[in-house]
Amino acid sequence: GQQVMQIPQYQHVQEGEDFTTYCNSSTTLSNIQWYKQRPGGHPVFLIQLVKSGEVKKQKRLTFQFGEAKKNSSLHITATQTTDVGTYFCAGLNAGGTSYGKLTFGQGTILTVHP
Amino acid sequence: EAQVTQNPRYLITVTGKKLTVTCSQNMNHEYMSWYRQDPGLGLRQIYYSMNVEVTDKGDVPEGYKVSRKEKRNFPLILESPSPNQTSLYFCASSLIGGDEQFFGPGTRLTVL
Repeated sequence: GQQVMQIPQYQHVQEGEDFTTYCNSSTTLSNIQWYKQRPGGHPVFLIQLVKSGEVKKQKRLTFQFGEAKKNSSLHITATQTTDVGTYFCAGLNAGGTSYGKLTFGQGTILTVHP
Repeated sequence: EAQVTQNPRYLITVTGKKLTVTCSQNMNHEYMSWYRQDPGLGLRQIYYSMNVEVTDKGDVPEGYKVSRKEKRNFPLILESPSPNQTSLYFCASSLIGGDEQFFGPGTRLTVL
């Protein structure tokens, strides 16, 4: 079945440093979504990428979707302590009989040292 | 306020005692889903529902049942819970399948 691998599992940075997390899918995706989960909280939607090669920005966050629609990345520029949390990618199966099946990556836990 | 609610938020039970975790959304969403979250494994989809009376297995459906009799509710049923079902469970909904998902606050379940 579809697998989504996310790396790294943990990332510790000093405040002001950049941060990147990567997702790779074993199959072609219809779209990919990114979520953030604060410690003790629930996942909150950040963005959805649909088109091959798409790049979207939200302030200091840059999201990319690969040309083959099998990989994606999230880059945070100049991290702040408010960026602390776990970042998940989630890939939507590209058709067939299981269109609604969403597969999450394992998540990257980001800690930011002030 | 638009939201997804889950009950209970915390539950400690014993092996074999049937339980139901309720999930309700007030956004008229068609799509609803259940996930379990375990350290190092991320969120794994248990079941999802594209609409009323339509449910499908996710990646880890064994030991769970769901039903979708009404649009707003999507209960998760554990007929005979076992310790390996100890986990943090999230319900989520979206307007349609594939759209951004809104998550409930989570239910922390411990099976002794």
